[in-house]
Amino acid sequence: EPEVTQTPSHQVTQMGQEVILRCVPISNHLYFYWYRQILGQKVEFLVSFYNNEISEKSEIFDDQFSVERPDGSNFTLKIRSTKLEDSAMYFCASSAQGAWATEAFFGQGTRLTVV
Amino acid sequence: GIQVEQSPPDLILQEGANSTLRCNFSDSVNNLQWFHQNPWGQLINLFYIPSGTKQNGRLSATTVATERYSLLYISSSQTTDSGVYFCAVGQGGSEKLVFGKGTKLTVNP
Repeated sequence: EPEVTQTPSHQVTQMGQEVILRCVPISNHLYFYWYRQILGQKVEFLVSFYNNEISEKSEIFDDQFSVERPDGSNFTLKIRSTKLEDSAMYFCASSAQGAWATEAFFGQGTRLTVV
Repeated sequence: GIQVEQSPPDLILQEGANSTLRCNFSDSVNNLQWFHQNPWGQLINLFYIPSGTKQNGRLSATTVATERYSLLYISSSQTTDSGVYFCAVGQGGSEKLVFGKGTKLTVNP
């Protein structure tokens, strides 16, 4: 069964460092997403990406964040200068159509710890 | 924006018991999904159910879109059912899913 895969599973980084979280969405999907979940809290939308551009973003997704689809299979989230409050589980997701129309599938998550 | 409320926030069961989890939402939706977050943090898709009823083994779900709620039924619960169950909704014109705060289920042996 096709699945969304994320790497790494865990990442520890020093405050102020740049991190790149990687995702391989399901191959025939066209919409890609990043969500985050701070420990013990609900899952929050960060950004959606369609047709090689950001289609929607939340207030959380400020200038410190960027997304890229560098090739035909990978989708990345970059955090330029990490802060302690960026510590969270980050989920990548993909869907064949927009999330209002079809099921979104989530990866297993990357647990980011900023120290 | 749309509000998603899940109840109860916490639920403790003995193995073999049945349970019903509820998700209320404040506006019309085009997408509703149920997820199980396991102890390792993974989000597992359970149901895509913007309306109607679906069943998958011991789990079933019903969404009554006109009344803005969805129910997740777990029958004959097992310890492996423990974790947090999230409801998430999507609306036309928006790319995002909005999640509820979840129901934390603990199934004791």
